[in-house]
Amino acid sequence: AQSVTQPDIHITVSEGASLELRCNYSYGATPYLFWYVQSPGQGLQLLLKYFSGDTLVQGIKGFEAEFKRSQSSFNLRKPSVHWSDAAEYFCAVGDNYGQNFVFGPGTRLSVLP
Amino acid sequence: EAGVAQSPRYKIIEKRQSVAFWCNPISGHATLYWYQQILGQGPKLLIQFQNNGVVDDSQLPKDRFSAERLKGVDSTLKIQPAKLEDSAVYLCASSARDRGLPDSPLHFGNGTRLTVT
Repeated sequence: AQSVTQPDIHITVSEGASLELRCNYSYGATPYLFWYVQSPGQGLQLLLKYFSGDTLVQGIKGFEAEFKRSQSSFNLRKPSVHWSDAAEYFCAVGDNYGQNFVFGPGTRLSVLP
Repeated sequence: EAGVAQSPRYKIIEKRQSVAFWCNPISGHATLYWYQQILGQGPKLLIQFQNNGVVDDSQLPKDRFSAERLKGVDSTLKIQPAKLEDSAVYLCASSARDRGLPDSPLHFGNGTRLTVT
């Protein structure tokens, strides 16, 4: 079974600064990787996903993520953070049978004005 | 397309009472999930349906939780009797994800926030 770790529980950045949220996964085959964002009181919204092809994927709201097989990582990045990006971010990995889908514990992002 | 609909948005009950949550998935999505999200934690899968059959309910506390998905569309999740530790947000998600479409994402509703007093 697959698993996901997000080493940072809480990150604080200043508005306009760059951002990188870490995600490490464990899965024996090629993983299906996803990043979701959850604003307070809301459900989870998909930011981007990766399965194959270019290891740098673009998502919505100016986010991108890079898949690094050698490091079992799928880190989320944004060059310039906006105050509205303050939220909880979840990395998730799905198996290649379309059955199991596991979330990481999440990283809470705070943005300073 | 219409998103995943959940109701109610909020529910407050006393311990030992019962409660039910409803979910209407995106049209055509065969897979439906119920997650429990305790404050400050990631979503934890309670039960996963493929059409109207159960794929995974290994983490569902079956002595008090039950779920059904009649006709492979809408689903209800019930808790009876509720405990204090059931206070959480209950999220429903649907997906076209299956063996043929493993890269399909999950689409989430806004959740039901349950408070047990």
